Amino acid sequence: GQQLNQSPQSMFIQEGEDVSMNCTSSSIFNTWLWYKQDPGEGPVLLIALYKAGELTSNGRLTAQFGITRKDSFLNISASIPSDVGIYFCAGQGARYSGAGSYQLTFGKGTKLSVIP
Amino acid sequence: DARVTQTPRHKVTEMGQEVTMRCQPILGHNTVFWYRQTMMQGLELLAYFRNRAPLDDSGMPKDRFSAEMPDATLATLKIQPSEPRDSAVYFCASAWGTPKNSPLHFGNGTRLTVT
Repeated sequence: GQQLNQSPQSMFIQEGEDVSMNCTSSSIFNTWLWYKQDPGEGPVLLIALYKAGELTSNGRLTAQFGITRKDSFLNISASIPSDVGIYFCAGQGARYSGAGSYQLTFGKGTKLSVIP
Repeated sequence: DARVTQTPRHKVTEMGQEVTMRCQPILGHNTVFWYRQTMMQGLELLAYFRNRAPLDDSGMPKDRFSAEMPDATLATLKIQPSEPRDSAVYFCASAWGTPKNSPLHFGNGTRLTVT
């Protein structure tokens, strides 16, 4: 099956710093999604990307769909304590984008810790 | 806000017992997923349904796991008999259409502990 390599696995940053994380694959993806999971809860969608090169923002979060369609990154600017959590990328590979198909591959997550 | 509802939130059971987890997808969503999350494996897709019909359950151990959708508002995941290695958080998620027009929405999970 398709695999997504998400990095870094974990990071500790000072409050106020910017954060960057990314996902890469050897396969082409048609859709990239970024989720955040707080402890004891399910992942919540942050940003969805649908076109190569697309750059989308949601408040202090910005995500981009790589031009090669094999990667995506998520940036968080001016981090605050509530940014703590696990961030997941997810994508639908071109191979699995047939009519009506809903096959998503998830990265293993980036655990973010923010030091006040 | 519409949300996916899962019950129970926590379940502790002894090895060999049957476990049933339930999910109410978001009203109007016709695609329902079951995922399992562990520290080692991350999020693994167990099964997914479209319009109540199973489309893919290749990620599910067939000998002990079963997933059904008795109606459009209820999805169930059963484990019989349960084993300690089944301990994990099980998430239900729902959507309609494809990822292009409907991102996945997750419930808050059922944390299963099998002793």
